Amino acid sequence: DIQMTHSPSSLSAFVGDRVTITCRASQNILTYLNWYHQKSGKAPQLLIYTASNLQSGVPSRFSGSGSGTDFTLTISSLQPEDSGTYYCQQAYSTHPYTFGLGTKVEIK
Amino acid sequence: QITLKESGPMVVKPTQTLTLTCTFSGFSLTTSAVGVAWIRQPPGKALEWLALIYWDDDKRYTPSLRDRLTITKDTSKNQVVLVMTNVDPVDTATYFCAHRRVDGNDAFDMWGQGTLVTVSS
Repeated sequence: DIQMTHSPSSLSAFVGDRVTITCRASQNILTYLNWYHQKSGKAPQLLIYTASNLQSGVPSRFSGSGSGTDFTLTISSLQPEDSGTYYCQQAYSTHPYTFGLGTKVEIK
Repeated sequence: QITLKESGPMVVKPTQTLTLTCTFSGFSLTTSAVGVAWIRQPPGKALEWLALIYWDDDKRYTPSLRDRLTITKDTSKNQVVLVMTNVDPVDTATYFCAHRRVDGNDAFDMWGQGTLVTVSS
């Protein structure tokens, strides 16, 4: 299975800060990388698909980049509603699809 | 508008069989490229993909649970069912069903609210 590793595992930032989360794959996954946001007690929400494509309805402060093994999710100006856990998921090897352990984002 | 909703027992005893149903609307599992997945999340832990069924009845399973899982669809009822045999307390989790994008970009774009299943005697 392809392993996905998040960095950092958690962070705390102020409203308005620029926040960057990274995800590393254990092998080359081209751009088959998706990002999800999950608030406590809720279902995950797709933010970015295929590394850099913004899902419909997702605010433009979210962006994704990367290819191969290293990927980045950036929030250009952190908002209070952005707290929660962010997961990356690879879709290169689909059986099984695998998720990272997540990055927990807290608002200071 | 795509919606999905999971249903099933809240508590199951060890060694029993768990049956979960995903009822959806806003799309059809007879349409080319459509897929519905099951994904679970133990309390406080990360997401784990379990199974996926495609419009053409192709089925895929996570290798570690393949022997215990069966996924089926009922297109007339707009439902996908996941059966897990011989459950154990480690199977305690919130179980989500999710719609797979159909435009060639492989991602889960809509999710149900999830249903918490506790395995306990």
